[in-house]
Amino acid sequence: GENVEQHPSTLSVQEGDSAVIKCTYSDSASNYFPWYKQELGKRPQLIIDIRSNVGEKKDQRIAVTLNKTAKHFSLHITETQPEDSAVYFCAAPPSKIIFGSGTRLSIQP
Amino acid sequence: NAGVTQTPKFQVLKTGQSMTLQCAQDMNHEYMSWYRQDPGMGLRLIHYSVGAGITDQGEVPNGYNVSRSTTEDFPLRLLSAAPSQTSVYFCASSRTGGKAFFGQGTRLTVV
Repeated sequence: GENVEQHPSTLSVQEGDSAVIKCTYSDSASNYFPWYKQELGKRPQLIIDIRSNVGEKKDQRIAVTLNKTAKHFSLHITETQPEDSAVYFCAAPPSKIIFGSGTRLSIQP
Repeated sequence: NAGVTQTPKFQVLKTGQSMTLQCAQDMNHEYMSWYRQDPGMGLRLIHYSVGAGITDQGEVPNGYNVSRSTTEDFPLRLLSAAPSQTSVYFCASSRTGGKAFFGQGTRLTVV
């Protein structure tokens, strides 16, 4: 069945530095790769996504890269700011949406 | 366009009681799903539906029932509440293979 593994589970970076979170998936049929951000006490919200015909997508300070051969995709956040502190989830839904276990990102001032 | 509407926001149940969490979406999405999120944990899939009349089990289905009689609604039923079901529940909807929209969440406590 589908499996999505996300690493690391926690990540602490200095403000202004970069953060990278990686997900691996098992289902070759996956063709849509989203990243969600969940702030404390709130619902998850999509921050960026990529489809399988694209290798990289950027939106200001965030980017997602995809390696379909290796079945992994990564979230990159550059010039981190305090408001980037949150839990981030990946997903790889060919049919049902299974989320990775989440990464708690803390930005240190 | 309200998106995904989930009720109630908070609920306290006694062990053994039953209840239904409501979820409705107005985006004509085929896919709807229910997740539970325990403190400090990820989102675990309980049940999902790919269209009216079609439901299937997720990762943690035991103790929960769902039905999908219309495209808009996807209620989650707790048959006999247990303390282990204390959690935050999220409903979500999407087009198949697309962005998921989440409801506001239901914080359920079973005592």
